[in-house]
Amino acid sequence: GAGVSQSPSNKVTEKGKDVELRCDPISGHTALYWYRQRLGQGLEFLIYFQGNSAPDKSGLPSDRFSAERTGESVSTLTIQRTQQEDSAVYLCASSLRGVGNTGELFFGEGSRLTVL
Amino acid sequence: DAKTTQPPSMDCAEGRAANLPCNHSTISGNEYVYWYRQIHSQGPQYIIHGLKNNETNEMASLIITEDRKSSTLILPHATLRDTAVYYCIVRAMGGKLIFGQGTELSVKP
Repeated sequence: GAGVSQSPSNKVTEKGKDVELRCDPISGHTALYWYRQRLGQGLEFLIYFQGNSAPDKSGLPSDRFSAERTGESVSTLTIQRTQQEDSAVYLCASSLRGVGNTGELFFGEGSRLTVL
Repeated sequence: DAKTTQPPSMDCAEGRAANLPCNHSTISGNEYVYWYRQIHSQGPQYIIHGLKNNETNEMASLIITEDRKSSTLILPHATLRDTAVYYCIVRAMGGKLIFGQGTELSVKP
């Protein structure tokens, strides 16, 4: 596809369950970002990938959150033992070049996570 | 990254120019000014960015003051579809995009 694709678009889970959110960046984009947006709030930076490595994980809120990227393409954000405060829209973005350049970020439509 | 200050909300009449201000008084010489917008329930969309000079593209114009401590995003002929939250971000080389609360622009008929 032409844009950043995220799945699932909506996920409802029970407290304590693990969830995986997937991001397919634009082909050829070496940089990939994850953000979180709680209802009515701005975007919170979570993690940034350059290729398959993550030079900046500073935004991950706890050790229940992890992310990986393989093949310089798909990325998965995993939340273990979900809590109600994890409910949010998780947004993925990709960029043709990484941090340290002027490349714009292209965002997906997000994965809406609801923890009951 | 430098912090930015934006008004929380603004109204604009359809067809008129929307001028969205942003203060970034602590901006460094190598930091760019970026503007993104987020229409309800969608991911953010890049609008424009600049370093020192004014910039224009098919979506908007960006006016940066000579001292670079503030900037204005101009939507020359606002339409109802321009209703969105507009984010002004300054980004250092090697830095990430840090979103603030933005300005909620309401374009009214």
